[in-house]
Amino acid sequence: GAVVSQHPSWVICKSGTSVKIECRSLDFQATTMFWYRQFPKQSLMLMATSNEGSKATYEQGVEKDKFLINHASLTLSTLTVTSAHPEDSSFYICSAPDGSSYEQYFGPGTRLTVT
Amino acid sequence: QQQVKQSPQSLIVQKGGISIINCAYENTAFDYFPWYQQFPGKGPALLIAIRPDVSEKKEGRFTISFNKSAKQFSLHIMDSQPGDSATYFCAASIKGYSTLTFGKGTMLLVSP
Repeated sequence: GAVVSQHPSWVICKSGTSVKIECRSLDFQATTMFWYRQFPKQSLMLMATSNEGSKATYEQGVEKDKFLINHASLTLSTLTVTSAHPEDSSFYICSAPDGSSYEQYFGPGTRLTVT
Repeated sequence: QQQVKQSPQSLIVQKGGISIINCAYENTAFDYFPWYQQFPGKGPALLIAIRPDVSEKKEGRFTISFNKSAKQFSLHIMDSQPGDSATYFCAASIKGYSTLTFGKGTMLLVSP
């Protein structure tokens, strides 16, 4: 199947700082990517849809000024958590649909801990 | 109407047994039903998926059964192994690559 990578795999930052997470589709082009958040022992919660060349679409309740999404190219989307606080600590996962097969592939996730 | 209900929440199966996880949906517009396997600290991995034009799909030890009239689909893991111990999520979407609606997950433990 197609491969999606994320970087970094884990990050620790201090409260008030910003953190950028990258999501890359390695062997296919993705005009759309999705960003999820997952708390321990819970399901994935869709945060936003990232669209190449246009603004991201955020789910209800997700602060667009806090979670900045940029889809810079057909293989790269970034999520920036601005002015992070301890409650932003979570597991962030991106996914990308492989347009040729209709299947969605997930990255390995990024563990964010805000101290 | 966008919900996907998954059961059971957790499941313990003996090695060599059959693990069965069920999902039900309401939105008849859903036309793509994947199952994902997730190990702790990892992203979900696509396991197997089905579209509503078939009632069953088998890949190795994993089988999806799909009942369109009942709006239900299930994952069967034959000859379950300890390495299958993970959380399994069913999902559904419209036209394949739009947003996925996930079930709440099933934690499977296969005892040796």
